Amino acid sequence: ELKVEQNPLFLSMQEGKNYTIYCNYSTTSDRLYWYRQDPGKSLESLFVLLSNGAVKQEGRLMASLDTKARLSTLHITAAVHDLSATYFCAVEGGKSGGSNYKLTFGKGTLLTVNP
Amino acid sequence: DVKVTQSSRYLVKRTGEKVFLECVQDMDHENMFWYRQDPGLGLRLIYFSYDVKMKEKGDIPEGYSVSREKKERFSLILESASTNQTSMYLCASSEAGANEKLFFGSGTQLSVL
Repeated sequence: ELKVEQNPLFLSMQEGKNYTIYCNYSTTSDRLYWYRQDPGKSLESLFVLLSNGAVKQEGRLMASLDTKARLSTLHITAAVHDLSATYFCAVEGGKSGGSNYKLTFGKGTLLTVNP
Repeated sequence: DVKVTQSSRYLVKRTGEKVFLECVQDMDHENMFWYRQDPGLGLRLIYFSYDVKMKEKGDIPEGYSVSREKKERFSLILESASTNQTSMYLCASSEAGANEKLFFGSGTQLSVL
């Protein structure tokens, strides 16, 4: 059974600081996704990581994937208040049937960036 | 702009009622999904569908059924609503093939009294 664990689950940071959110998963997978959810809103895709060593960056966020360690990181550089949200990682759990892919989500990391 | 539309933002139902949650996507996506989101538990997959009239159970299908009669529409049915089904329900869709990131609807907050 695929398990996805994120840590920390709660993160309070000062503006301008750096921090990393970790996502560990229990079985082999080649695809990992990061999503963002603003309060009261739905989830929005941030990154899709497709292979070992993949690195994606957008603005102050950078995501990486190490499939051998079964670990992905989401690094936040010089945090700003607008980054306050809940961040989820999701791992592809395998193929079933025609062309569908099931995702298993972590519990999410609630990030609060304080002025 | 891609769009996944859930018919209701908030719903209040009574225990034992039959509840229908509707989801429509306009992206011609093959795959559609129903998740529920609960505080501290993250998102859990209830059912998914990879084609019209095709469905597969997710991690927590008990107490739910689904219907996909047309490609663009995926319905979640609570046959007899119970209080433990009070939750935020999220519909999502994705393309077939590789790199299928999910596009989510805005969610339906269901309260069962």
